[in-house]
Amino acid sequence: EVQLLESGGGLVQPGGSLRLSCAASGFTFSSYAMSWVRQAPGKGLEWVSIMSGSGGSTYYADSVKGRFTISRDNSKSTLYLQMNSLRAEDTAVYYCAKSPSGSLAGSDYWGQGTLVTVSS
Amino acid sequence: QTVVTQEPSFSVSPGGTVTLTCGLSSGSVSTSSYPSWYQQTPGQAPRTLIYSTNTRSSGVPDRFSGSILGNKAALTITGAQADDESDYYCVLYMGSGISVFGGGTKLTVL
Repeated sequence: EVQLLESGGGLVQPGGSLRLSCAASGFTFSSYAMSWVRQAPGKGLEWVSIMSGSGGSTYYADSVKGRFTISRDNSKSTLYLQMNSLRAEDTAVYYCAKSPSGSLAGSDYWGQGTLVTVSS
Repeated sequence: QTVVTQEPSFSVSPGGTVTLTCGLSSGSVSTSSYPSWYQQTPGQAPRTLIYSTNTRSSGVPDRFSGSILGNKAALTITGAQADDESDYYCVLYMGSGISVFGGGTKLTVL
């Protein structure tokens, strides 16, 4: 059974940093691209970033480029999102999601999410 | 900047059929957009219904189907049930690793 468990969310001041983790199980982690998607309170889903299975390719939404860094440790089956220079508009539930194939498009499994609140 | 468009809201009668669409503010959606569809109820994580245009995710009943209709991606729900009342999101692959979500459709079953 595929399971994705996010952690690391919390309250952080504007300009601060936070690192999210997503522990994966139930599949061969290194074979699949993994994404981060966020949802601000009362808003829709927003694609944030994706990393290929090997970790050799990374892509970001313009809204986070230069501030967020996606990474993965395939030996630990864990995906990360390092978030720096956080802003109030980064407040959201952050979900990790598994791609359904070797492609970079779409997701077939989602975690339950972790809440990040950026506020002074 | 390309915007992914969805109907803000839609209603369907129990047992009825509804088709939600996902388009582009500029251009056409094709299979190369690898459209995916997700269902979300308040306070819950999204659930994948369809990916790669028409591939049903594990455990999803066959009354959910995906297709390309004209220049848009489409999600069709046949035999709508009360618990289909949810928000539905599509996402399109733009190329170069980038994906964009639509604003979502709030489906009411009444």
